[in-house]
Amino acid sequence: GDSVTQMEGPVTLSEEAFLTINCTYTATGYPSLFWYVQYPGEGLQLLLKATKADDKGSNKGFEATYRKETTSFHLEKGSVQVSDSAVYFCALTRGGAQKLVFGQGTRLTINP
Amino acid sequence: NAGVTQTPKFRVLKTGQSMTLLCAQDMNHEYMYWYRQDPGMGLRLIHYSVGEGTTAKGEVPDGYNVSRLKKQNFLLGLESAAPSQTSVYFCASIPGLAGTGEQFFGPGTRLTVL
Repeated sequence: GDSVTQMEGPVTLSEEAFLTINCTYTATGYPSLFWYVQYPGEGLQLLLKATKADDKGSNKGFEATYRKETTSFHLEKGSVQVSDSAVYFCALTRGGAQKLVFGQGTRLTINP
Repeated sequence: NAGVTQTPKFRVLKTGQSMTLLCAQDMNHEYMYWYRQDPGMGLRLIHYSVGEGTTAKGEVPDGYNVSRLKKQNFLLGLESAAPSQTSVYFCASIPGLAGTGEQFFGPGTRLTVL
């Protein structure tokens, strides 16, 4: 079945550091790929998405590129802020019911 | 627009008790989902619905039942709670196939089963 694997956490960085959170997937066909973010005590919200190969999703300084050849969708940000501290989930959907398959989540902590 | 709301926010049950979690959305969305979130496992789909009066099983449906009698509401029931059902439960919705694929999540219900 479809699956998503994220890099192990937690990840702790200093403010203004460069961020990469790795995400790879296994799926037949052509899934849509997503990054969701969960701030403390809240539900998930969409950070960015890409629906076909070589698409780049971007939002709030975060970027991720849909790489079909490596089945990856790594999240990057050039300069993180304390307010970026959250749990980040990589996910995919495929099929008519648009069911999300999530990675295990990566907890990110940014220190001032 | 309240978006997606969940009731209750917190609940503690004893083993064997029953309860119903309510999810409501005011966006006229067709599809609704129930997930559970456990440490180190991400979110896993319990049940989902692609329209009023329809439901289907997700990845981890055992021990749960659902109903979608009204388009705006999606109920998740636990008939006989077990400690393994201690989790945070999230509801989500989307417009349907015509949407962008983004799922809109509620704030979650934290359930503890003793």
